[in-house]
Amino acid sequence: EAAVTQSPRNKVAVTGGKVTLSCNQTNNHNNMYWYRQDTGHGLRLIHYSYGAGSTEKGDIPDGYKASRPSQENFSLILELATPSQTSVYFCASGDRRGDTQYFGPGTRLLVL
Amino acid sequence: GQQVQQSPTSLVLQEGENAELQCNFSTSLNSMQWFYQRPGGSLISVFYNPSGTKQSGRLTSTTVIKERRSSLHISSSQITDSGTYLCAMERTGGYKVVFGSGTRLLVSP
Repeated sequence: EAAVTQSPRNKVAVTGGKVTLSCNQTNNHNNMYWYRQDTGHGLRLIHYSYGAGSTEKGDIPDGYKASRPSQENFSLILELATPSQTSVYFCASGDRRGDTQYFGPGTRLLVL
Repeated sequence: GQQVQQSPTSLVLQEGENAELQCNFSTSLNSMQWFYQRPGGSLISVFYNPSGTKQSGRLTSTTVIKERRSSLHISSSQITDSGTYLCAMERTGGYKVVFGSGTRLLVSP
């Protein structure tokens, strides 16, 4: 069973502050993804990665950066957090193109 | 417009009734998946179904890639089936997966 963990699980941030969301997977998957989930929008892809050192823009990358320093870790960075970034963020990993994705437990972010 | 349309948006059943969830795609796709999510919970893959019919217990998924549609059938629903079911497609030409907004299912006693 794929194991994807996220930290923190809950975060309260102030507008203009920097927020880093971390994701770790222990299954040696090449692909990792960051989504946000909002009512009425389903899950939307923010950034993804094919492997260590690579990051690619998803459908809604504005205001977010990503970092993949290793096979296991994938971070999402909000340099200047805004209230519109209040959401639930999910990290996922997958072995190869077209394969199923395994999701982490999610991080609830509130930007005041 | 939305690339992945799910219907119905919500569904209430009595325990033991069957459910049919639909997913339609506006663009060509390589594959699709069904996920299950409990309120406040994470997503769990139910079916990875590029094409054809797959069954797992009381759940059956049928995908017709050429017609850009997929369905999830739940037979003899149970209270524990309650939650949100999301379908997602992998678009042709890339790694990106696009999700629908989900169907919220409530099964009551």
